[in-house]
Amino acid sequence: EAGVAQSPRYKIIEKRQSVAFWCNPISGHATLYWYQQILGQGPKLLIQFQNNGVVDDSQLPKDRFSAERLKGVDSTLKIQPAKLEDSAVYLCASSLAGGSSKKSQETQYFGPGTRLLVL
Amino acid sequence: EDQVTQSPEALRLQEGESSSLNCSYTVSGLRGLFWYRQDPGKGPEFLFTLYSAGEEKEKERLKATLTKKESFLHITAPKPEDSATYLCAVVGSGTYKYIFGTGTRLKVLA
Repeated sequence: EAGVAQSPRYKIIEKRQSVAFWCNPISGHATLYWYQQILGQGPKLLIQFQNNGVVDDSQLPKDRFSAERLKGVDSTLKIQPAKLEDSAVYLCASSLAGGSSKKSQETQYFGPGTRLLVL
Repeated sequence: EDQVTQSPEALRLQEGESSSLNCSYTVSGLRGLFWYRQDPGKGPEFLFTLYSAGEEKEKERLKATLTKKESFLHITAPKPEDSATYLCAVVGSGTYKYIFGTGTRLKVLA
C-alpha cells in the first residue's frame, strides 16, 4: 500500500514570497491533516479536513496560510507572504477517519514532509 | 488544556543497555496514546496505539505501557539502528486531535 506522498521535499524562498505544498493521502483515507514541525519540537496541527470539509483550522494563521482539499483527495497548503518564522517542516498525514466512534480508524500516517527555509 | 511532556529530552545508550522513555499527559478523556519514531529528514513512523490503562504493546525490542497519567516506551537491548527521535501524542475526547510532546532523541552507540 502506497504511503502519504508530499512534494516538493525541499523549498528555499525569500521572505514575502509565496510557496505551495502538495499532499496525496493514503487511498481511502477520509481525513487529512497538515502539521508544522519546528526544529526540536513536536508537530503542531494546522488544519484538519474530513473529506473536503474543514474540521479544525483553529491554529492556522489565516492571514497568510490557506489550504484546500478538492474532491476530498489531494490537498495543497499555501503560504503567502512567507515570514522567517515559517521556516519549518510541513507534514501531511492521513487517517481512515477522525473523531469517529472507531478509535482504530484514527491512527494517523505521515508523509516525508516538506522542508521550508525562508531567507 | 491537554498537555504532553516527554522525558528525557535526549538519551545516549550503549548497544545492549536497556532503558525507558517517559510520556506524561494531561487530557480530558483519553481516546488514545500514540508512539511514533522519527528519523532525521523523515516523517513520523507509527509504532503503537494504547487505549486504556494497563494496556501493553510490543514490537521487536520495543514495549509500550500505559497508566492513567503516563506511558513508557521500554527499549530492550537496543541496537544503533534504534537511534531516532521518539514522539508521543495523545487524543482527548474533547478535541479529537493529536497533541504531541517534544520527543526524546535517542542515540545508541555501538
